[in-house]
Amino acid sequence: EVQLVESGGGLVQPGGSLRLSCAASGFAFTTHWMTWVRQAPGKGLEWVANIKKDGSEKYYVDSVKGRFTISRDNAKNSLYLQMSSLRAEDTAVYYCARYSSDWYVTFDIWGQGTMVTVSS
Amino acid sequence: QSALTQPASVSGSPGQSITISCTGTSSDVGGYNYVSWYQQHPGKAPKLMIYEVRNRPSGVSNRFSGSKSGNTASLTISGLQAEDEADYYCSAYTSSYTVIFGGGTELTVL
Repeated sequence: EVQLVESGGGLVQPGGSLRLSCAASGFAFTTHWMTWVRQAPGKGLEWVANIKKDGSEKYYVDSVKGRFTISRDNAKNSLYLQMSSLRAEDTAVYYCARYSSDWYVTFDIWGQGTMVTVSS
Repeated sequence: QSALTQPASVSGSPGQSITISCTGTSSDVGGYNYVSWYQQHPGKAPKLMIYEVRNRPSGVSNRFSGSKSGNTASLTISGLQAEDEADYYCSAYTSSYTVIFGGGTELTVL
């Protein structure tokens, strides 16, 4: 079964750090770009970052540049999001998702999400 | 960059058709045929419904269709069913490998 499972969410104080993980299974992880998308409580989806198949290229939404780092370990079939200097506005459910290898700019598989709460 | 513009809510009766619009600019929706639509039920992860403007993945009902004209993309759902009640989001490629989503539309089946 093709699956993405996020972990690492939790409560963190403003200015703190957190590392999210996403474990992939059931497909050839190395053949897909990957992405993180977040959703603040009661709000819409927001694309956060993406990473090329081999990790050589990474792109971020302006609001997280310099604070978040996306990475992957293809040997472990895992995607990561290192978040630092966290702000209240980073509070959201964070989803990892897979870029389709056949269709352009399409997220065809999503994880169930992990909640990040930034609060004192 | 601001989110793509979608109506906050739409509604329809079972069996009817509804259309959700997604308006952007020539730098995103209008510039590329890389518009996707996602369905999200409460507390669930989004699900891909339409890719590359008008294509349906295997397993998605043919009641769902997509189109685009200029800077506006549209999702049409025909023969509305109770199970279609959900939030719908469009997304588009913006350049430099970045993506933008719409603000989301809540569909109510009356």
